Amino acid sequence: EVQLVESGGGLVQPGGSLRLSCAASGFTFSSYWMSWVRQAPGKGLEWVANTNQDGSEKYYADSVKGRFTMSRDNAKNSLHLQIDSLRAEDSAVYYCARRALSYYGMEVWGQGTTVTVSS
Amino acid sequence: QSALTQPASVSGSPGQSIAISCTGTSSDVGAYNSVSWYQQHPGKAPKLMIYDVSHRPSGVSDRFSGSKSGNTASLTISGLQAEDEADYYCSSYTKTTTLGGVFGGGTTLTVL
Repeated sequence: EVQLVESGGGLVQPGGSLRLSCAASGFTFSSYWMSWVRQAPGKGLEWVANTNQDGSEKYYADSVKGRFTMSRDNAKNSLHLQIDSLRAEDSAVYYCARRALSYYGMEVWGQGTTVTVSS
Repeated sequence: QSALTQPASVSGSPGQSIAISCTGTSSDVGAYNSVSWYQQHPGKAPKLMIYDVSHRPSGVSDRFSGSKSGNTASLTISGLQAEDEADYYCSSYTKTTTLGGVFGGGTTLTVL
């Protein structure tokens, strides 16, 4: 079964850091672009970051550039998002998603992990 | 990266058809045939329903269809069913975000 499972969310104070992880299974992880998408409470979806198959290319939304770092470990079938200098507006459910190989779209999603930034 | 514009809510009765619009610009929706639609039930992860404007992934009901005219894309759901009640988001490729794309604000579909 194709599956993505996120972990690492939690409650953190403003200015703090977190490292989110996404464990992939049931497919050849190293063949796919991967993304992080977030959703603030009661709000819509927001693309956060993408990385290509070997992690050599990474792209970030302007709202997180310089504070978020995406990485992947193909040997361990895992994706990570290092989040630094957290702000209240970063509070959200963070989803990892697999991008389709042959068309524009995110075809597999994890269940999400919740980040809450509060003092 | 500006969001695409969707109506906040739409509603319809079982068996009816509804359409959800998604308006962008000539830099995103109007420029590329790379519009996708996602369905999200409360507390659940999004699910891809339409990709590349009008294509359905395997397993998605043919009651869901997509189209585009100019800077506006549309998702049509025919033969409404109770389980279609959910939030729907459009997304479009835009070259400024390198595959990241831009999302619409979301539309809540209520099945009366």
